[in-house]
Amino acid sequence: KAGVTQTPRYLIKTRGQQVTLSCSPISGHRSVSWYQQTPGQGLQFLFEYFSETQRNKGNFPGRFSGRQFSNSRSEMNVSTLELGDSALYLCASSSGLAGGGGETQYFGPGTRLLVL
Amino acid sequence: AQSVTQPDIHITVSEGASLELRCNYSYGATPYLFWYVQSPGQGLQLLLKYFSGDTLVQGIKGFEAEFKRSQSSFNLRKPSVHWSDAAEYFCAVGPRGGTDKLIFGTGTRLQVFP
Repeated sequence: KAGVTQTPRYLIKTRGQQVTLSCSPISGHRSVSWYQQTPGQGLQFLFEYFSETQRNKGNFPGRFSGRQFSNSRSEMNVSTLELGDSALYLCASSSGLAGGGGETQYFGPGTRLLVL
Repeated sequence: AQSVTQPDIHITVSEGASLELRCNYSYGATPYLFWYVQSPGQGLQLLLKYFSGDTLVQGIKGFEAEFKRSQSSFNLRKPSVHWSDAAEYFCAVGPRGGTDKLIFGTGTRLQVFP
């Protein structure tokens, strides 16, 4: 079974631009979560989607948004990029069948975003 | 507030030595507990998890962790470290039901000397 894939793996943008990152979950998984990893703040939860609906959201500004498609693939978008948005963005998938909580989440390799 | 504390930022051990990585959590009720490992340039891999029952949990790669409710701790152990264990280790907690959201600790970087 193929793992979680994320595209692109690396991205360079400039301040003020917007960016879209993509995540394809493991086949059959319906829950996708996004995390931001930075040296200063560590791993922080952005949001989670289950069956095309946002099920939970972290404490990030509205510039960070996401969506999930009917095939469970998910995208996250960051508008008006700031230098502080430079980070590794990780996506994780789980089956979501247990109603959330405690299921094993499988992480992708991440997209490393550099904002200049 | 919900939080996870990993007090050791960096640990160095010799190959073959035993290892214990500490994790303490603050949560309203006993959450689900996880340990993940991240190698450089990679995503996170689950080592083990605690849901309920036996407080000593066995994981992959020879790792185990013990849940101690009275101490709100979930320490990770390995009896004999291999050079390939060098990586960053994250403890995480997740709520029981309703969401897959995980709260992570700040991580412990493990260095292994031959």
